[in-house]
Formats: sequence, structure tokens, C-alpha cells
Amino acid sequence: GAVVSQHPSRVICKSGTSVKIECRSLDFQATTMFWYRQFPKQSLMLMATSNEGSKATYEQGVEKDKFLINHASLTLSTLTVTSAHPEDSSFYICSADRQGSYNEQFFGPGTRLTVL
Amino acid sequence: GNSVTQMEGPVTLSEEAFLTINCTYTATGYPSLFWYVQYPGEGLQLLLKATKADDKGSNKGFEATYRKETTSFHLEKGSVQVSDSAVYFCALVQGAQKLVFGQGTRLTINP
Repeated sequence: GAVVSQHPSRVICKSGTSVKIECRSLDFQATTMFWYRQFPKQSLMLMATSNEGSKATYEQGVEKDKFLINHASLTLSTLTVTSAHPEDSSFYICSADRQGSYNEQFFGPGTRLTVL
Repeated sequence: GNSVTQMEGPVTLSEEAFLTINCTYTATGYPSLFWYVQYPGEGLQLLLKATKADDKGSNKGFEATYRKETTSFHLEKGSVQVSDSAVYFCALVQGAQKLVFGQGTRLTINP
């Protein structure tokens, strides 16, 4: 068990539009979900941490109005990139912290966003 | 704060060679340590983990031992395969704090 899915896996959009990315824990309930951004050939950068039913905690330098996070249930978190611009093009990865898993995070397969 | 330092890549080896990817960490107390692997175009998969000193994590022929005295968690494999080509990330987490990643090491195995 402990599978995390993301949808879509790949999205191309026009500049100025908004894009929603879903992260789901398929076979467990996630205490906390995390959103990361990864630039080519670089490590993961934590963007925000979200807990079900409460506001997300954003890392320094991440615009909360730009990257809207909604953690609607213990199995679903969404990241919306609002008014996307080409510099928002990146690989976005979510992870989920399973209750009782002692700090182990389970990662989704990632979503590649390309803004034209 | 906590930090993780990995050996710089890229690393290129021939098939069946011995692999070591160094990882050292800085943390107060006793973090949990992880190695994650990322195949091209995919998310991260947990490769192995260790939660206390002297623990050895192992999976798919890879091993890493939690060495508190040297604050290290080096990844080793005795005989690599082409399919091991990927990016490897060392990481730590402590208590309720966020996961801290190393910069990643790109490994290429040539047949």
C-alpha cells in the first residue's frame, strides 16, 4: 500500500490561465500533504505543507496567492497555479505523510507543467 | 538547521561495478535517514531508510548504514545494472519537521 497519484501527469497551458493539479492518497489517509517543485537537474524545493481542513503553510519566498492549496479531505490535496507564466513551468511533485508511518513520505509521480 | 550533503555527480559506471554515493548530514538529535530514487520523468520512490544509529537499510541490492559517529548514510551496491541509472537523493527528517533533501546524484550505468 501507500500509493499516491497525481493528475494530470502533464499539462500545457497558455500564459495567464490557471492550472489545477490533484494529489490523492489512494489506499491510506494522509495526515499531511506536501507540495514540491523541481527544476531541471535540481533537487526538490518544498513549496508548502498542507493539513486537512486548515490553511497551508508556505515556505519562504513562495507566493500563497499564486500557488493556491486546498486540502479538502484526508486523501486529496490540490495545487492551483493561478495566472500561470512561463517561469512557472516546472515539475511539481506532491507527497503524503501516512498516519503511523514515522515520518516517511510517499511521493506522487509528478506533474510536468509547461506554460506557453 | 538540518542539512544533507551528497557527493557531486554525475557518476558514470560500467555495469557490474561497485557503487558508493556519499551522504553526510547535519542535525541535532537523531533524525531518520532516507535514500530516494528518481527515474527519468517520474516522481520519487523510497529506496531504503534507517531510523536509528547503526540501522542498515537495504532494498534491491542497495544498502546504507546509519553512522552517527561520522554523521553519514552512504549508499552502496555491489554490482550495478543499467536499470539503476537514475537520480538518487539522500534525505533526513526529524520529528515533525520537513524532509530535507540533498542535491541529488545522477547515476549513469553503461552496458
